Amino acid sequence: QVELVESGGGLVKPGGSLRLSCAASGFSFSDYYMSWIRQAPGKGLEWVSYMSSSGTNIYYADSVKGRFAISWDKAQNSVFLQMSSLGAEDTAVYYCARYSTSSVLDLWGQGTLVTVSS
Amino acid sequence: DIQMTQSPSTLSASVGDRVSITCRASQSISRWLAWYQQKPGKAPKLLIYQASNLQSGVPSRFSGSGSGTEFTLTISSLQPDDLGTYYCQQYSNYWTFGQGTKVEIK
Repeated sequence: QVELVESGGGLVKPGGSLRLSCAASGFSFSDYYMSWIRQAPGKGLEWVSYMSSSGTNIYYADSVKGRFAISWDKAQNSVFLQMSSLGAEDTAVYYCARYSTSSVLDLWGQGTLVTVSS
Repeated sequence: DIQMTQSPSTLSASVGDRVSITCRASQSISRWLAWYQQKPGKAPKLLIYQASNLQSGVPSRFSGSGSGTEFTLTISSLQPDDLGTYYCQQYSNYWTFGQGTKVEIK
């Protein structure tokens, strides 16, 4: 079964760090580009980060640049999002998603909730 | 940055109605536009890509049109299962979503 499963969310204090994981099954990450997208409670979707299949091209939204880092592990067939210097504005459900050959997000995980609060 | 603006923000219609959602880009994005449907508590689902291409498995009552800066998602005959929030997304220059249109069934 082709799916993405995120984990690692939780409650973290302002200024803290958290590492999200996204495990793929049914396909290999090395064949696809991947992104993280987030959605604050009751709000719309915001693209956060992108990584090409080779890992060569990596991009971040201005709102997270310098604080978040995307990476992947071939052996684990997983993508990660390392988040640091977290603030209340980072509170959101974080989704990982896969790009199709048409460059759109055709497979999404179920999301993992990150809450930044003291 | 390319900004995406959807209208209306909320849409209430009856089963069987034809409904349309508009998405405008702050600059030309050619046809690099996708539409997603998000049901409450669920991840978004791809409906349309490259402005008018229907994703495999999506009902044919969904259609997309437009190019440049103005795009439309149309549901030809609204069904109860279509309730949710619809987002447009440009992928011409990085990726930006519209603010969403909530579709309610009367």
